[in-house]
Amino acid sequence: GAVVSQHPSWVICKSGTSVKIECRSLDFQATTMFWYRQFPKQSLMLMATSNEGSKATYEQGVEKDKFLINHASLTLSTLTVTSAHPEDSSFYICSASPMEIAFFGQGTRLTVV
Amino acid sequence: GIQVEQSPPDLILQEGANSTLRCNFSDSVNNLQWFHQNPWGQLINLFYIPSGTKQNGRLSATTVATERYSLLYISSSQTTDSGVYFCAVALGDNFNKFYFGSGTKLNVKP
Repeated sequence: GAVVSQHPSWVICKSGTSVKIECRSLDFQATTMFWYRQFPKQSLMLMATSNEGSKATYEQGVEKDKFLINHASLTLSTLTVTSAHPEDSSFYICSASPMEIAFFGQGTRLTVV
Repeated sequence: GIQVEQSPPDLILQEGANSTLRCNFSDSVNNLQWFHQNPWGQLINLFYIPSGTKQNGRLSATTVATERYSLLYISSSQTTDSGVYFCAVALGDNFNKFYFGSGTKLNVKP
């Protein structure tokens, strides 16, 4: 199957700093990627749709200014958590699809202290 | 928005037992997939099944789109089957924009 790689796998940052998470499609091009967030023992919640060459589309309730998404190439989308606070601590995971089947990155566990 | 409900929320099985996981959804969908999330968080595709029946080894899945539900069958369960199983659906124009169910946490005991 297709490969979606996410980096870093885990990160610890201080409150008030920003963190960038990368999502790459390694063996296919993706004009669209998706970002999800998962709190402990909960399901995955769609945060936003990352569109290559244009602005991301955010789900209702997701702060655009806090979660900056950049999809600068056909194989890379980045999610930047700005001015992170402890409540932003979560598991962030991206997905992309060459066809109808979705493939997910390994996820990034963010801890804000 | 679309509602995706999974049952049961938790399931404990003895190794070798069979089980059925259910996913109900509230609207017509154009994509439905089942995933297994391992303890490290990785999501593994099990089935792409917007309709019909598929089988892969000990696992099989059936989706009845007209009645808005899908079933995942696990036969002869093994301890390695433990983890959380998610059903995810997509609708409208965006084929891979998924909305996830709440998941079924499976624990297979030796």
